[in-house]
Amino acid sequence: EAGVAQSPRYKIIEKRQSVAFWCNPISGHATLYWYQQILGQGPKLLIQFQNNGVVDDSQLPKDRFSAERLKGVDSTLKIQPAKLEDSAVYLCASSLGLAGGFYEQYFGPGTRLTVT
Amino acid sequence: KNQVEQSPQSLIILEGKNCTLQCNYTVSPFSNLRWYKQDTGRGPVSLTIMTFSENTKSNGRYTATLDADTKQSSLHITASQLSDSASYICVVSAWNNNDMRFGAGTRLTVKP
Repeated sequence: EAGVAQSPRYKIIEKRQSVAFWCNPISGHATLYWYQQILGQGPKLLIQFQNNGVVDDSQLPKDRFSAERLKGVDSTLKIQPAKLEDSAVYLCASSLGLAGGFYEQYFGPGTRLTVT
Repeated sequence: KNQVEQSPQSLIILEGKNCTLQCNYTVSPFSNLRWYKQDTGRGPVSLTIMTFSENTKSNGRYTATLDADTKQSSLHITASQLSDSASYICVVSAWNNNDMRFGAGTRLTVKP
């Protein structure tokens, strides 16, 4: 079974530039998550999709971050414009469903973003 | 406020030794607790999941315990190997919503 795919693996941009990350979840997984993981910290949930609908985006900085999951499969996360504090690893995860954490989340390798 | 705190922040042990990592939480109402292992440069991978009624669960050399009364969990690693070097993250979920709280993790280094 193929895992969660993410690209690019690394990205370096200057502040105020834009960047987009792509995620392809495990086939058949209805739920997709984007996390931000700052060095030395645990992942922080940015947005959660169930199929192509948003379940939770309460921690997404909507003035600069946006995400979409067209057709309920692939997803993109965009930052525009980037700030220095956005430097982090962006993890995508997918699971069969929601159910309060009972479904295991499978994580991709992440995209390491450096904003200079 | 729902929180998850892990200790120690980092730990260095010699290969073959045992160690125990701690997770304290205030998430309520409690649904389940997972321990994840995150290798450097990789995404987290689930080791165990525990519900309210479970006290102990093992996965090979990893044994997780849960005390729902004191809201504490531990992850015990037996006969450590170099490949155990990673961050271990505790994640606690609440009932009736999809709120999952991640701890900051414990960074374990196993030295030969």
